[in-house]
Amino acid sequence: EVQLVQSGAEVKKPGESLKISCKGSGYNFTNYWIGWVRQMPGKGLEWMGIVYPGDSDTRYSPSFQGQVTISADKSISTAYLQWSSLKASDTAMYYCARHGVGDRSFFDYWGQGTLVTVSS
Amino acid sequence: DIQMTQSPSTLSASVGDRVTITCRASQSISSWLAWYQQKPGKAPKLLIYKASSLESGVPSRFSGSGSGTEFTLTISSLQPDDSATYYCQQYNSYLLTFGGGTKVEIK
Repeated sequence: EVQLVQSGAEVKKPGESLKISCKGSGYNFTNYWIGWVRQMPGKGLEWMGIVYPGDSDTRYSPSFQGQVTISADKSISTAYLQWSSLKASDTAMYYCARHGVGDRSFFDYWGQGTLVTVSS
Repeated sequence: DIQMTQSPSTLSASVGDRVTITCRASQSISSWLAWYQQKPGKAPKLLIYKASSLESGVPSRFSGSGSGTEFTLTISSLQPDDSATYYCQQYNSYLLTFGGGTKVEIK
Protein backbone atom coordinates (compact mmCIF):
# COMPACT_ATOMS: atom_id res chain seq x y z
CA GLU A 1 0.00 0.00 0.00
CA VAL A 2 1.36 3.39 -1.02
CA GLN A 3 1.67 5.74 1.95
CA LEU A 4 3.08 9.20 2.48
CA VAL A 5 3.48 10.06 6.16
CA GLN A 6 4.27 13.64 7.08
CA SER A 7 5.89 15.03 10.21
CA GLY A 8 3.76 16.59 12.93
CA ALA A 9 2.38 20.08 13.42
CA GLU A 10 4.83 22.89 14.16
CA VAL A 11 4.49 26.20 16.00
CA LYS A 12 7.32 28.63 15.26
CA LYS A 13 8.21 32.28 15.69
CA PRO A 14 8.92 34.66 12.80
CA GLY A 15 12.54 34.43 11.71
CA GLU A 16 13.00 30.83 12.86
CA SER A 17 13.99 28.02 10.51
CA LEU A 18 11.99 24.87 9.88
CA LYS A 19 12.26 21.60 7.96
CA ILE A 20 9.22 19.32 7.58
CA SER A 21 9.31 15.83 6.16
CA CYS A 22 7.35 13.34 4.08
CA LYS A 23 8.24 9.64 4.21
CA GLY A 24 7.12 7.38 1.40
CA SER A 25 6.50 3.64 1.59
CA GLY A 26 4.88 0.89 -0.42
CA TYR A 27 6.49 1.87 -3.73
CA ASN A 28 9.89 2.59 -5.30
CA PHE A 29 10.52 6.06 -3.85
CA THR A 30 13.21 6.90 -6.41
CA ASN A 31 10.89 6.43 -9.42
CA TYR A 32 8.31 9.12 -8.64
CA TRP A 33 8.46 12.86 -8.07
CA ILE A 34 7.28 14.21 -4.71
CA GLY A 35 5.49 17.54 -4.74
CA TRP A 36 4.57 20.05 -2.05
CA VAL A 37 1.28 21.94 -1.96
CA ARG A 38 0.38 24.87 0.30
CA GLN A 39 -3.11 25.57 1.59
CA MET A 40 -3.47 28.76 3.56
CA PRO A 41 -6.35 28.96 6.06
CA GLY A 42 -9.67 28.90 4.22
CA LYS A 43 -7.98 29.09 0.82
CA GLY A 44 -7.27 26.89 -2.18
CA LEU A 45 -4.39 24.66 -3.20
CA GLU A 46 -1.08 26.13 -4.42
CA TRP A 47 1.61 24.03 -6.12
CA MET A 48 5.00 24.87 -4.62
CA GLY A 49 7.42 22.55 -6.37
CA ILE A 50 8.61 19.00 -6.90
CA VAL A 51 11.70 16.87 -6.32
CA TYR A 52 12.78 13.67 -8.04
CA PRO A 53 14.46 11.55 -5.35
CA GLY A 54 16.32 9.47 -7.93
CA ASP A 55 18.65 12.34 -8.85
CA SER A 56 17.42 15.21 -6.62
CA ASP A 57 16.24 17.21 -9.65
CA THR A 58 14.03 20.00 -8.29
CA ARG A 59 11.53 22.37 -9.91
CA TYR A 60 9.87 25.32 -8.19
CA SER A 61 6.82 27.44 -8.81
CA PRO A 62 7.98 31.00 -9.53
CA SER A 63 5.85 32.06 -6.54
CA PHE A 64 7.96 29.95 -4.17
CA GLN A 65 11.39 30.04 -5.82
CA GLY A 66 13.88 31.42 -3.30
CA GLN A 67 11.34 31.26 -0.47
CA VAL A 68 11.65 27.56 0.35
CA THR A 69 13.97 24.65 -0.35
CA ILE A 70 12.72 21.26 -1.47
CA SER A 71 14.98 18.22 -1.15
CA ALA A 72 14.96 14.45 -0.75
CA ASP A 73 17.04 11.69 0.79
CA LYS A 74 16.44 8.54 -1.21
CA SER A 75 18.32 6.40 1.31
CA ILE A 76 15.49 6.90 3.81
CA SER A 77 12.66 7.51 1.30
CA THR A 78 11.99 10.98 2.66
CA ALA A 79 11.35 14.34 1.05
CA TYR A 80 11.69 17.69 2.81
CA LEU A 81 10.38 21.22 2.67
CA GLN A 82 12.37 23.83 4.52
CA TRP A 83 12.42 27.51 5.36
CA SER A 84 15.44 29.51 6.56
CA SER A 85 13.44 32.39 8.00
CA LEU A 86 9.72 31.93 8.57
CA LYS A 87 7.14 34.69 8.21
CA ALA A 88 3.65 34.90 9.64
CA SER A 89 2.36 34.53 6.08
CA ASP A 90 3.88 31.00 5.96
CA THR A 91 1.12 29.86 8.32
CA ALA A 92 -0.65 27.14 6.37
CA MET A 93 -1.26 23.44 5.91
CA TYR A 94 1.42 21.83 3.76
CA TYR A 95 0.78 18.61 1.86
CA CYS A 96 3.23 16.33 0.11
CA ALA A 97 1.97 14.18 -2.74
CA ARG A 98 3.34 11.58 -5.14
CA HIS A 99 3.63 12.81 -8.70
CA GLY A 100 4.03 10.35 -11.53
CA VAL A 101 6.03 10.69 -14.72
CA GLY A 102 5.01 11.06 -18.34
CA ASP A 103 1.27 11.03 -18.83
CA ARG A 104 0.77 10.30 -15.10
CA SER A 105 2.22 13.65 -14.02
CA PHE A 106 -0.52 14.33 -11.50
CA PHE A 107 -0.76 13.74 -7.73
CA ASP A 108 -2.14 10.26 -7.11
CA TYR A 109 -1.30 9.80 -3.40
CA TRP A 110 -1.21 12.48 -0.73
CA GLY A 111 0.23 12.80 2.76
CA GLN A 112 -2.01 13.73 5.68
CA GLY A 113 -0.68 17.29 5.83
CA THR A 114 1.55 19.24 8.23
CA LEU A 115 0.12 22.35 9.87
CA VAL A 116 2.69 25.11 10.28
CA THR A 117 1.79 28.02 12.52
CA VAL A 118 4.09 31.05 12.64
CA SER A 119 3.27 33.52 15.37
CA SER A 120 5.13 35.80 17.74
CA ASP B 1 2.20 30.08 -16.13
CA ILE B 2 -1.03 28.46 -17.23
CA GLN B 3 -3.97 29.92 -15.30
CA MET B 4 -6.93 27.71 -14.37
CA THR B 5 -10.34 29.26 -13.74
CA GLN B 6 -13.16 27.29 -12.13
CA SER B 7 -16.83 28.16 -12.03
CA PRO B 8 -18.94 28.46 -10.06
CA SER B 9 -16.99 29.07 -6.85
CA THR B 10 -19.88 27.69 -4.81
CA LEU B 11 -22.96 25.71 -5.70
CA SER B 12 -25.83 24.34 -3.70
CA ALA B 13 -27.83 21.37 -4.98
CA SER B 14 -30.17 18.67 -3.74
CA VAL B 15 -29.48 14.98 -3.34
CA GLY B 16 -30.04 13.30 -6.68
CA ASP B 17 -29.32 16.42 -8.75
CA ARG B 18 -26.91 16.44 -11.68
CA VAL B 19 -24.05 18.82 -10.91
CA THR B 20 -21.53 20.28 -13.37
CA ILE B 21 -18.35 22.20 -12.57
CA THR B 22 -16.37 23.99 -15.28
CA CYS B 23 -12.62 24.55 -15.48
CA ARG B 24 -11.01 26.76 -18.13
CA ALA B 25 -7.32 26.92 -18.97
CA SER B 26 -5.61 30.11 -20.18
CA GLN B 27 -4.03 28.12 -23.03
CA SER B 28 -4.48 24.69 -24.51
CA ILE B 29 -3.49 21.83 -22.19
CA SER B 30 -4.68 19.00 -24.45
CA SER B 31 -6.23 16.48 -22.00
CA TRP B 32 -3.68 16.94 -19.23
CA LEU B 33 -6.19 17.76 -16.52
CA ALA B 34 -6.94 16.16 -13.16
CA TRP B 35 -9.81 16.69 -10.71
CA TYR B 36 -9.52 16.36 -6.95
CA GLN B 37 -12.04 16.27 -4.11
CA GLN B 38 -11.19 17.76 -0.73
CA LYS B 39 -13.31 17.40 2.39
CA PRO B 40 -12.79 19.67 5.41
CA GLY B 41 -9.68 18.78 7.40
CA LYS B 42 -8.61 16.14 4.88
CA ALA B 43 -6.03 15.86 2.12
CA PRO B 44 -7.25 16.12 -1.46
CA LYS B 45 -8.21 12.90 -3.23
CA LEU B 46 -7.71 12.18 -6.94
CA LEU B 47 -10.97 11.62 -8.83
CA ILE B 48 -10.22 12.01 -12.53
CA TYR B 49 -7.03 12.21 -14.60
CA LYS B 50 -6.33 12.83 -18.29
CA ALA B 51 -9.58 14.81 -18.34
CA SER B 52 -11.89 11.79 -18.39
CA SER B 53 -10.18 8.75 -16.83
CA LEU B 54 -11.78 7.68 -13.56
CA GLU B 55 -9.31 6.82 -10.80
CA SER B 56 -9.70 3.33 -9.39
CA GLY B 57 -12.23 3.15 -6.56
CA VAL B 58 -13.99 6.42 -7.44
CA PRO B 59 -17.79 6.07 -7.82
CA SER B 60 -19.02 5.99 -11.40
CA ARG B 61 -21.36 8.96 -10.76
CA PHE B 62 -18.25 11.11 -11.25
CA SER B 63 -17.19 11.82 -14.81
CA GLY B 64 -14.95 14.26 -16.62
CA SER B 65 -14.89 15.62 -20.14
CA GLY B 66 -13.23 18.22 -22.31
CA SER B 67 -9.96 18.99 -24.04
CA GLY B 68 -7.95 22.01 -25.06
CA THR B 69 -9.08 24.83 -22.77
CA GLU B 70 -12.50 23.84 -21.46
CA PHE B 71 -13.27 20.97 -19.10
CA THR B 72 -16.14 19.77 -16.94
CA LEU B 73 -16.57 17.57 -13.91
CA THR B 74 -20.05 16.07 -13.62
CA ILE B 75 -21.67 14.32 -10.69
CA SER B 76 -24.61 12.47 -12.23
CA SER B 77 -26.63 12.05 -9.03
CA LEU B 78 -25.40 14.10 -6.08
CA GLN B 79 -25.01 12.18 -2.81
CA PRO B 80 -24.60 13.55 0.74
CA ASP B 81 -21.02 12.25 0.80
CA ASP B 82 -20.17 14.49 -2.18
CA SER B 83 -20.27 17.64 -0.06
CA ALA B 84 -16.71 18.91 -0.57
CA THR B 85 -14.53 21.34 -2.50
CA TYR B 86 -13.41 20.28 -5.96
CA TYR B 87 -10.23 21.43 -7.68
CA CYS B 88 -9.00 21.05 -11.22
CA GLN B 89 -5.26 20.92 -11.94
CA GLN B 90 -3.39 21.13 -15.22
CA TYR B 91 -0.25 19.08 -15.80
CA ASN B 92 0.54 20.13 -19.35
CA SER B 93 3.76 21.72 -18.12
CA TYR B 94 5.93 20.88 -15.13
CA LEU B 95 4.66 24.15 -13.58
CA LEU B 96 1.46 22.59 -12.35
CA THR B 97 -1.41 24.90 -11.44
CA PHE B 98 -4.70 24.41 -9.63
CA GLY B 99 -8.02 26.06 -10.18
CA GLY B 100 -9.47 28.14 -7.37
CA GLY B 101 -11.90 25.44 -6.26
CA THR B 102 -15.66 24.88 -6.28
CA LYS B 103 -17.44 24.24 -3.01
CA VAL B 104 -20.41 21.90 -3.39
CA GLU B 105 -23.06 22.11 -0.70
CA ILE B 106 -26.09 19.90 -0.20
CA LYS B 107 -29.42 21.73 0.15
